[in-house]
Amino acid sequence: GAVVSQHPSRVICKSGTSVKIECRSLDFQATTMFWYRQFPKQSLMLMATSNEGSKATYEQGVEKDKFLINHASLTLSTLTVTSAHPEDSSFYICSANIAGGATDTQYFGPGTRLTVL
Amino acid sequence: SQQGEEDPQALSIQEGENATMNCSYKTSINNLQWYRQNSGRGLVHLILIRSNEREKHSGRLRVTLDTSKKSSSLLITASRAADTASYFCAPESGSARQLTFGSGTQLTVLP
Repeated sequence: GAVVSQHPSRVICKSGTSVKIECRSLDFQATTMFWYRQFPKQSLMLMATSNEGSKATYEQGVEKDKFLINHASLTLSTLTVTSAHPEDSSFYICSANIAGGATDTQYFGPGTRLTVL
Repeated sequence: SQQGEEDPQALSIQEGENATMNCSYKTSINNLQWYRQNSGRGLVHLILIRSNEREKHSGRLRVTLDTSKKSSSLLITASRAADTASYFCAPESGSARQLTFGSGTQLTVLP
């Protein structure tokens, strides 16, 4: 089956630093990847849609300068949390559709736990 | 918002019993997907049902979809302790293939 990986799985950083999270589709190409964040015991909230070779589409209320998304290849999208603050601490999850695939299934990565001190 | 809303929020059953979770959504969809999430982990895709389908089976899972009522249900038969997890429905709509999630149902299967 389609596998999506994320790196790192867990990161702790100081307030004011930037953190980059990678999302990779391991055995398929993904023209579109999605980034979500999830607070404890809450639902996943879509942050942005990452399109290969073009600018990401951000959901309302998500600061594009705060959460930089780059989708430079068909297998890699990165989310950079710039000048992170404690309120950015959350679980970040990416997902991807198979490019041109017959299925509409979204495959999710294992998530990245970000803790900002 | 196309957010799927699950009901109940929490469900506790004995091993061997069946578990039924419901999902409601608001507007037209391309498909509806069900996922499970163990605490602190990513989402595992369970099943996808398209808007022109009414019922789908996968192992111990049975999903129904009623587009007239904008609702879906997930039935897990002969539950096991390992089924303990949060379950989310995610309607997919639009050409961007975006999913929106509700708050999920926390299922606890007691051994």
